[in-house]
Amino acid sequence: EAGVVQSPRYKIIEKKQPVAFWCNPISGHNTLYWYLQNLGQGPELLIRYENEEAVDDSQLPKDRFSAERLKGVDSTLKIQPAELGDSAVYLCASSPGTGWAFFGQGTRLTVV
Amino acid sequence: AQKVTQAQTEISVVEKEDVTLDCVYETRDTTYYLFWYKQPPSGELVFLIRRNSFDEQNEISGRYSWNFQKSTSSFNFTITASQVVDSAVYFCALYMNRDDKIIFGKGTRLHILP
Repeated sequence: EAGVVQSPRYKIIEKKQPVAFWCNPISGHNTLYWYLQNLGQGPELLIRYENEEAVDDSQLPKDRFSAERLKGVDSTLKIQPAELGDSAVYLCASSPGTGWAFFGQGTRLTVV
Repeated sequence: AQKVTQAQTEISVVEKEDVTLDCVYETRDTTYYLFWYKQPPSGELVFLIRRNSFDEQNEISGRYSWNFQKSTSSFNFTITASQVVDSAVYFCALYMNRDDKIIFGKGTRLHILP
């Protein structure tokens, strides 16, 4: 069974440019998370979806970050415009139910 | 406050030694889950174990073992006879039923020296 798939694995952009990350969760998993991991830190939740509904986006900086999960399967996280401080690893995870999370390989973003 | 503390930032041991990674958590919830994940240099978070708050049995899986003690709010992870491939960052995490989200500690970077 395929795990959580994220793309791209690496992305380098100039500041003020837009960027988008894509996540394909494990088949059948209704819950999808986006986490941000800064260097030397543990992951921190940005947004959680139940099917296509964003049920917790309290930690998402909405001035520049947006996310969507059309049809309740794949999800896209976008940053526009990117800032130097957005350089980090963006992790997607999916869950089949209470108290589980399986993570993808992450997208390492470098803003120059 | 909900919190996970991994006091050891970095540990180095020589191959074949045993090593224990500490994890202390805080939560008001009575129902919760605890996890350990491994993050190798490739960057993905590899699931190692999930333990619910009502199950205090220790668990052993090969060279890995976990000691869950509710009385001290600790969930420690021991690697026996460590190998170079165990070198990675290890995260302890807490899932809170009420919020349906996982919070992570800051991780412990483990170096196994040949």
